[in-house]
Amino acid sequence: QQQVKQSPQSLIVQKGGISIINCAYENTAFDYFPWYQQFPGKGPALLIAIRPDVSEKKEGRFTISFNKSAKQFSLHIMDSQPGDSATYFCAGAGDSNYQLIWGAGTKLIIKP
Amino acid sequence: KAGVTQTPRYLIKTRGQQVTLSCSPISGHRSVSWYQQTPGQGLQFLFEYFSETQRNKGNFPGRFSGRQFSNSRSEMNVSTLELGDSALYLCASSLAASGSADTQYFGPGTRLTVL
Repeated sequence: QQQVKQSPQSLIVQKGGISIINCAYENTAFDYFPWYQQFPGKGPALLIAIRPDVSEKKEGRFTISFNKSAKQFSLHIMDSQPGDSATYFCAGAGDSNYQLIWGAGTKLIIKP
Repeated sequence: KAGVTQTPRYLIKTRGQQVTLSCSPISGHRSVSWYQQTPGQGLQFLFEYFSETQRNKGNFPGRFSGRQFSNSRSEMNVSTLELGDSALYLCASSLAASGSADTQYFGPGTRLTVL
């Protein structure tokens, strides 16, 4: 009930391409879905977040697509750049205690 | 505003010892969460403190404990260290008023190595 499943585990994309990372959740009470970006040697930092009242949210080259009926959401990185190379984590929250439930992470490498 | 600070940044201990890690949250943040991060294991939630009370707890043995002080600073303690405790320990703070999900701001972590 509490899991967030993230895929793929790792991803290699050419510079300029589209990077897509997918997450699926089980708890229908979740109503907050953030994506975090982590560079080596740093803590994760919030990249973008969505609530289920919208199906898509865009911030610059980063877009979250949300499918409530399928209980899935995904991160799209357009025009991927080498500086986007990092580990990305999705998460969900919304149960009574609002604890974030994390995906396992995706290591993204953008090839120049 | 200063970010989340964690001390020390690096620590080397031997099996059986105990260790205390410290976290200072962003000013005004009352919630502090602790995570263990190991390669391939993602972020494993340890516990969360809000206004000096443990509000949530993950599935870790009792050797892992924490506390929060009145100024919201938090400490995490691991007793009887095992080799498998080697990891990056991350602290995150948020405003996190009760009953709302909120952005977590992470510190740089403490890298613990157990020999």
